[in-house]
Order: sequence, then structure tokens, then C-alpha cells
Amino acid sequence: EVQMVQSGAEVKKPGESLKISCKGSGYSFANYWIDWVRQMPGKGLEWMGVIYPGDSDTRYSPSFQGQVSISADKSIGTAYLQWSSLKASDTAIYYCARHARGVNEYWGQGTPVTVSS
Amino acid sequence: EIVLTQSPDFQSVTPREKVTITCRASQSIGSSLHWYQQKPDQSPKLLIKYASQSFSGVPSRFSGSGSGTDFTLTINSLEVEDAATYYCRQSSSLPYTFGQGTKLEIK
Repeated sequence: EVQMVQSGAEVKKPGESLKISCKGSGYSFANYWIDWVRQMPGKGLEWMGVIYPGDSDTRYSPSFQGQVSISADKSIGTAYLQWSSLKASDTAIYYCARHARGVNEYWGQGTPVTVSS
Repeated sequence: EIVLTQSPDFQSVTPREKVTITCRASQSIGSSLHWYQQKPDQSPKLLIKYASQSFSGVPSRFSGSGSGTDFTLTINSLEVEDAATYYCRQSSSLPYTFGQGTKLEIK
């Protein structure tokens, strides 16, 4: 059974760094792209970027380029989304989703991130 | 960047009603259009891939059609459990983009 399990909720202060994770299981992790998607409070879904764990090929939406960093460790089947300096506007739920030929068939449960002073 | 525009933004519907949601792309995307359902406090779920292919386990009342720039998600005989927000998403070119969402409320 394919599962995408994300790390738990985070509460941070502006300026702090953060790395959240997404562990894929039940399939060959290295061979499927993983997307990250943001959902701000009460808002719609925004595609942030995608990584291919096999060779760490990464693509970003222009809206998120330079704002976040996406990485993966195929040895432990885990993808990451990272911020070096959080802002209040980063408050959102972040989803990872396995991506096969452009389609997100399996999603993580979401990681809520709250940034507040 | 390809912009996807859904209509309507919101619809209040009664059970057993037929519902149609449209998604228009700012340029041709072939059939690289997928539909997702998101219920409150849940992750999105795939309903339809490549415009018209049903995903495994999705009830048969959900169907999709279209190609190029105009796409439709149809829900035949709406059920109470279908109260959710529906999103289209394109995978024709990077960056992938979502529509703004259509919220269905059950009367």
C-alpha cells in the first residue's frame, strides 16, 4: 500500500528556520516525483515545486523559487521542504504528493505550519 | 504560466441534482487536466485524471470530459457526502497550476 506520511504540526517565530518531511512507503521511492503544495488558511491549492528523488532533479514554481528549498534522501525514502527564514505569510498547510505522469495519486496528510511572534 | 479558471466559485445544490463544474485553461493543454476533491480538514483526493479517466475507487457518478482549453467535471445524482471543494490542475507544462476551486454546498 502506497503511503505518504508527513511530519507533525510546527509553530515557529518569524525569522526561524524549518524543515518538514514527507516519507513515502509501499513503492520504489526513487522512481517517482514528489510535489509540494501549499494551502494558506481558507484558500486554494498552490503548486510549489517537485523533486525526483532518484537524481534530486528539482523544479520550482516561480512564485516559490528562492523562498523555499526542496530536497530528498532516497536512502530513507524521505522528501523535505525547508525554509531558512520564516515569515508570517508562510503560515499554511503544506502537502506532499506522489506524482506519476503529472498526476498526484497519493497525498500526505498535510503539515500545518504556524509562524507567529 | 498556464492559468486555470473554474466556474462557478460556489454552488449550493440539492441531493440527487446533477452538477457541472467547468475549468478553462489560458492555452491549450491537450488532455493534461486532472480533478481533485478536498473535503474540510482533509487532504485532496484524485477523482479524474487526463480529463476523463476515473481514478480507482472513485464512485461512477463522477465523470470528466474535455480537451484543449475547456474541461468539465460532472457529478450525476449528487450525494450529501459530495460536499467539498473541487479543483482542476494541469500538468501540461511547468509550473503546474491549480484552478481557484469550486465549493459545493449541499442544501
